[in-house]
Amino acid sequence: DTGVSQDPRHKITKRGQNVTFRCDPISEHNRLYWYRQTLGQGPEFLTYFQNEAQLEKSRLLSDRFSAERPKGSFSTLEIQRTEQGDSAMYLCASSLNSRGGEKLFFGSGTQLSVL
Amino acid sequence: AQSVTQLGSHVSVSEGALVLLRCNYSSSVPPYLFWYVQYPNQGLQLLLKYTSAATLVKGINGFEAEFKKSETSFHLTKPSAHMSDAAEYFCAVSDRQAAGNKLTFGGGTRVLVKP
Repeated sequence: DTGVSQDPRHKITKRGQNVTFRCDPISEHNRLYWYRQTLGQGPEFLTYFQNEAQLEKSRLLSDRFSAERPKGSFSTLEIQRTEQGDSAMYLCASSLNSRGGEKLFFGSGTQLSVL
Repeated sequence: AQSVTQLGSHVSVSEGALVLLRCNYSSSVPPYLFWYVQYPNQGLQLLLKYTSAATLVKGINGFEAEFKKSETSFHLTKPSAHMSDAAEYFCAVSDRQAAGNKLTFGGGTRVLVKP
């Protein structure tokens, strides 16, 4: 168990640029989640995957956001035409299966700063 | 829709003193309940969870929480604080009746432990 890893740890970009983040879940975990956390707030759900299928997207996820998990392993989160309001910590989590009350394992996050 | 309220964004305790972090939820059906801890530069880690059966739940690092349906609460306690308990703590819920097992988090409580 090597844990959930996210890359990069930090990203600084200019407004209007596109950014992409990567998440590698714990191997054999079939559920993968993306959350966003702003300073002083708890994480907010963005989207989740069951294997390669994206099953739910939050209303927080505007059309500028897209997430993929092409082979049911790693996932990418892309933000197009970044805005200053996108500045936040983006967290990835995974779980072994879909049972209710399942424990989520979180990565350390990618801190995005949009200038 | 579910919601979680954590009373007090910051709590300061002396080493050896009781730690009490408050969490109240709003849900039409008692949800699954969780406490996660976030240490600096680390991902969130599960402290404990309530899914059913015993209302007093014991977790890691000496923490425990009690589910009280009549009060819609799930407060976290530790009898004796240690310096290593300094971190941010998040209460979270997930809907028993919904697919996805996604979490709704409270705003977090940052704990400072004084020597």
